Amino acid sequence: EAGVAQSPRYKIIEKRQSVAFWCNPISGHATLYWYQQILGQGPKLLIQFQNNGVVDDSQLPKDRFSAERLKGVDSTLKIQPAKLEDSAVYLCASSLGDRETQYFGPGTRLLVL
Amino acid sequence: GEDVEQSLFLSVREGDSSVINCTYTDSSSTYLYWYKQEPGAGLQLLTYIFSNMDMKQDQRLTVLLNKKDKHLSLRIADTQTGDSAIYFCACGSSNTGKLIFGQGTTLQVKP
Repeated sequence: EAGVAQSPRYKIIEKRQSVAFWCNPISGHATLYWYQQILGQGPKLLIQFQNNGVVDDSQLPKDRFSAERLKGVDSTLKIQPAKLEDSAVYLCASSLGDRETQYFGPGTRLLVL
Repeated sequence: GEDVEQSLFLSVREGDSSVINCTYTDSSSTYLYWYKQEPGAGLQLLTYIFSNMDMKQDQRLTVLLNKKDKHLSLRIADTQTGDSAIYFCACGSSNTGKLIFGQGTTLQVKP
């Protein structure tokens, strides 16, 4: 069974530029999560989707971050404009349902210069 | 809010046992997980334990849960150099449904 796929794996941009990340969850998983992992810290939840609806986006900086999961499968996370402090690994995870075990993708490493 | 704490670093010799500890504050945690992160990679699920269990063994891995003290540990028997990684403890709250991660313990295995 294929795992969670993410692209790109690495991205370097300058501050104030925009960037987008893509995630394809495990087939059949209704719940999709985006996490931000800053160097030396554990992952922190940005947004959780159940199918194509948002369950929790309380920690998403909505002035610059946006995410969508239009058809309830793939998802994109966008940052516009990027700040230096957005440099981190962005992890996508999926689970069969809410409160089920989460499986993570390889992450996208973002460096903002 | 909920908090999960781990020691930052552990160094062992190859063949020894490793014990990584974790404490948490949310008493409603229903599922407690251990994930492994190798350099440049995502998080790999290692094992998990339900809150109604005290112990779970899975090959070289043993998880112990002390609910009274809100303490979770991961024991790796016969530690190998390939076990060198960062290990994250994560607690799933039955109230919020959120997974709260510790800051990770870096395990260094010396040959």
